[in-house]
Order: sequence, then structure tokens, then C-alpha cells
Amino acid sequence: EVQLVETGGGLIQPGGSLRLSCLASGFTVSGNYMSWVRQAPGKGPEWVSAISSGDNTYYADSVKGRFTISRDKSKNTLYLQMNSLRAEDTAVYYCTKNSRGAFDVWGQGTMVTVSS
Amino acid sequence: DIQLTQSPSTLSASVGDRVTITCRASQSVSSYLAWYQQKPGKAPKLLIYKASNLDSGVPSRFSGSGSGTEFTLTISSLQPDDFATYFCQQYNTYPTWTFGQGTKVEI
Repeated sequence: EVQLVETGGGLIQPGGSLRLSCLASGFTVSGNYMSWVRQAPGKGPEWVSAISSGDNTYYADSVKGRFTISRDKSKNTLYLQMNSLRAEDTAVYYCTKNSRGAFDVWGQGTMVTVSS
Repeated sequence: DIQLTQSPSTLSASVGDRVTITCRASQSVSSYLAWYQQKPGKAPKLLIYKASNLDSGVPSRFSGSGSGTEFTLTISSLQPDDFATYFCQQYNTYPTWTFGQGTKVEI
């Protein structure tokens, strides 16, 4: 079964750091375009970052310079390192697999709350 | 940046109704548009990609059409399981993506 499971969310103070993990099963993260998408409470989803099968990385302007996407082929896991967190980064963060340009597989999401 | 505007924001309907949701792009996205369904507390689910292609396992009562700047999602006969929020998403600017603000379909 194709599945994504995110972990690592929580409550963090402004300016802090957090690393999200996404364990994949049923397919390899290294062979696919993978993305992180977030959704603030009551809002539409927002694409955050992507990594291509060739390891090229891409970021939304809102997180560029603060977030870093990476993956570990041996663990079949995708990561999102989030630094200098702000209140506006508060959201549910989803790990997604890209196919034909759209997001065809989603994890259950992990909540990140940035608050003092 | 390409903006996506969905209408209506909320739609009241009954089981069996034909429902149409519109997504307008601020500039052409060709046919690179997808539709998602989201239920409370759950992740979005892909319904349609490239404007009119049904994802695997999606019921045939769902259909998509359009190109350029105007797109529609149609549910031919609304079922109880279809009450949810629907989002459009463009990927003409791949590898960056934009979502619409959502349309809530309620009773």
C-alpha cells in the first residue's frame, strides 16, 4: 500500500527550529518528485517546497532561506528542516508525492504551532 | 504570481443535485489544473488532473472541464459522501504550485 506518515510537529516558540519527517511505504521517495504542502487553520493549502528525482530543490518565497527539504534514500524518508519559525508558519504540514504535476498521495499531516 | 479564484465560496445543495464549481486563473494555466476534495480533519484527495482526467478510483459522477483561465468541476448527482470542501490547484508554473481558496459544499 502506498502511504506517507509525517512526524515531528509540535509547539515551538517564534525563532525556533523544527524538523519534520515523512516515512514513505509502497514506493521510493528517491524516485519521485516529493513536496511539502501546508494548510493554516481555515485556509486553503499552500505549497511550501519540492525536491525532484534529480535532487533539485524548490521553495515558496515565504519560506526561502529558512526551510530546507531533503531526503534519505536508505530510510525512504523525506524531511523538512524549518528554522527561524514565525507565527505565520503555524499550519498542518503535509508530505505529498507528485504525479503528472498534481499531488496524488498525501500523508495524514502534522501540526506545527508557532507561539510564545 | 498566478491567483486562483473559486466560486462560489459556499454552496448549499441536496442529494441528487447537479453541482458546478468554477475556478478562474489570473492568467492562462493551459490545462495544468487539478481538483481536490477535502473532508474535515483529513488530507486533500486528488480527484482530477490536467483539467479533465479522473484520478484512479474516483467515481464517474465527478468531471472537470476548461482550459486557459476558466475551469469547472461538476458533480452530476451529489451523494452524501460528497459534502466536503473542494480546491483547485494550478501547476502551469511547475515546479511551483498555487491553490484556490476552496468551495464548501454543504446541505
